[in-house]
Amino acid sequence: DIQMTQSPSTLFASVGDRVTITCRANESISSWLAWYQQKPGKAPKLLIYRASSLESGVPLRFSGSGSGTEFTLTISSLQPDDFATYYCQQYNLYSGTFGQGTKVEIK
Amino acid sequence: QVQLVESGGGVVQPGRSLRLSCAASGFTFSAYAMHWVRQAPGKGLEWVALISYDGSNKYCADSVKGRFTISRDNSKNTLYLEMNSLRIEDTAVFYCAKIVGALWGPIDFWGLGTLVTVSS
Repeated sequence: DIQMTQSPSTLFASVGDRVTITCRANESISSWLAWYQQKPGKAPKLLIYRASSLESGVPLRFSGSGSGTEFTLTISSLQPDDFATYYCQQYNLYSGTFGQGTKVEIK
Repeated sequence: QVQLVESGGGVVQPGRSLRLSCAASGFTFSAYAMHWVRQAPGKGLEWVALISYDGSNKYCADSVKGRFTISRDNSKNTLYLEMNSLRIEDTAVFYCAKIVGALWGPIDFWGLGTLVTVSS
């Protein structure tokens, strides 16, 4: 299976901060990467697909970039609703492995 | 609207078997690939298995290979996960998830999950 590694595991930030989360693959996945947001007790929600395409209805403060093995999720100005855990996922014909998650907490 | 409703979870002893089901509605089930994804208590998401729209392609994570089998019945709009030789470390909430495409892609809808507890 392709391995995905996120950093950091936990991130402390304040409302209004610019936040960046990194996701690395152990082999090239082209741009076949998605980002999800999960809140406690809820199913995940798709934010970004194909590395940089914003899912319909997702606020413009979320953006994604990268290709190959290194990717980033950026929140341009953190809002109270954004405190959650974020996961990257690579997807292909054979699997859909996730990173271990990044929890964004209030500083 | 899209609905995915998992069932079949519960408490089971190590080494025993369990079959999970996921009833789909609100979309053309037979046109989309599906995943099973699990989340152990307090832990992250773990991909478990993938099946193509017609069931002809099936793949499992190394951690469950040889023990878990994914299948689907498009006439019943239902996804299944047959789990054998269960281990304590299989304890998790199991989600079924709809993929954007027929073969692969990101996940656009998730069920609410069903809890599987493996304990003696």
